[in-house]
Amino acid sequence: SAVISQKPSRDICQRGTSLTIQCQVDSQVTMMFWYRQQPGQSLTLIATANQGSEATYESGFVIDKFPISRPNLTFSTLTVSNMSPEDSSIYLCSVPDTQYFGPGTRLTVL
Amino acid sequence: QKEVEQDPGPLSVPEGAIVSLNCTYSNSAFQYFMWYRQYSRKGPELLMYTYSSGNKEDGRFTAQVDKSSKYISLFIRDSQPSDSATYLCAMSANNAGNMLTFGGGTRLMVKP
Repeated sequence: SAVISQKPSRDICQRGTSLTIQCQVDSQVTMMFWYRQQPGQSLTLIATANQGSEATYESGFVIDKFPISRPNLTFSTLTVSNMSPEDSSIYLCSVPDTQYFGPGTRLTVL
Repeated sequence: QKEVEQDPGPLSVPEGAIVSLNCTYSNSAFQYFMWYRQYSRKGPELLMYTYSSGNKEDGRFTAQVDKSSKYISLFIRDSQPSDSATYLCAMSANNAGNMLTFGGGTRLMVKP
């Protein structure tokens, strides 16, 4: 099974600022997924990060708000831009082949 | 109507009880079915992974899939307080790295 780590584990941010979340996997994977879990809700897919190409975003999510980088096969970042309180969520990365999840980044926007 | 429906609970049971957690879905293309356990302030942890219809057992956990009824279940035998968590069902149409569609999660509380 893949071991996935995320940084930071949690953060409290001011409205209008941006936060970059890092996801590291202990093996090479072609795809990485970014999910959001809003308070009391289930997980919603934000985008699929492919190495060497642009990320693919799901309906309701746009690159300007959630830019993603995928510089190599073991690492990806998700930036939450121009944050508002509605962005307060847990952000999780995962990999395919049974979809293991990272521990998540708990974001609170004031 | 959501693609995957799951009773949010909370479901409260005494220690040692058999727990039944369920999800229904509407997309007949779903072939892969998963159950995740999520403790408070943690990421989801994969519990069970099944393909198509049938049963799968792993220790105290049994997953059942009935594709004809579009209904999946997770049974927990001899439930323990440490089983107290939110249980999420998830499913996908194929195993080629496609995204998962999640249920809303059921919060389970096992009381000593």
